[in-house]
Amino acid sequence: NAGVTQTPKFRILKIGQSMTLQCTQDMNHNYMYWYRQDPGMGLKLIYYSVGAGITDKGEVPNGYNVSRSTTEDFPLRLELAAPSQTSVYFCASRETGASFFGQGTRLTVV
Amino acid sequence: QKEVEQDPGPLSVPEGAIVSLNCTYSNSAFQYFMWYRQYSRKGPELLMYTYSSGNKEDGRFTAQVDKSSKYISLFIRDSQPSDSATYLCAMSDSGGSNYKLTFGKGTLLTVNP
Repeated sequence: NAGVTQTPKFRILKIGQSMTLQCTQDMNHNYMYWYRQDPGMGLKLIYYSVGAGITDKGEVPNGYNVSRSTTEDFPLRLELAAPSQTSVYFCASRETGASFFGQGTRLTVV
Repeated sequence: QKEVEQDPGPLSVPEGAIVSLNCTYSNSAFQYFMWYRQYSRKGPELLMYTYSSGNKEDGRFTAQVDKSSKYISLFIRDSQPSDSATYLCAMSDSGGSNYKLTFGKGTLLTVNP
């Protein structure tokens, strides 16, 4: 099993551009999460989903959007990228028990 | 007071040492406690998962939870250079659909050969 797969691994974006961070999991988990990780700040929850068609805001949702049309996929959309969105983004999934994380997308907004 | 406090380190130990990593928390509703290991430029990897108070052992790793003191620990015995990583504690008050993890900021550990 691949687990949780994120693409791309790295991206440089210009201010005002948009992009979608892809996340897919092959464990048939209902729950999926997007986090951002900034140096010295730990992981902050951006959005989460408890199943296909259901999403909700986390701690730091501003500037982001998500959709969940299938169990497997949970893309994160950045509209009008800003330097404050420079971070490492992690997608995670779970069914019961602990969450399993992808390898991350390192995003720089310049 | 932050919900979860974790000493960021860095912590440097010689190979073979016993390592103690700790987190304190303020939310008495937390019931699920996890430790993740994160190598540089990689995603967090689950090490230990415990529910409520008590100890859990897995190989060289032991997790302890003391809910009365709101204190959790991870012990690493016979530490190896391959244990060098950032260790994140995480906790949640629910195992169901309301499950959301609250993370510590992580402790950077270096094990020197």
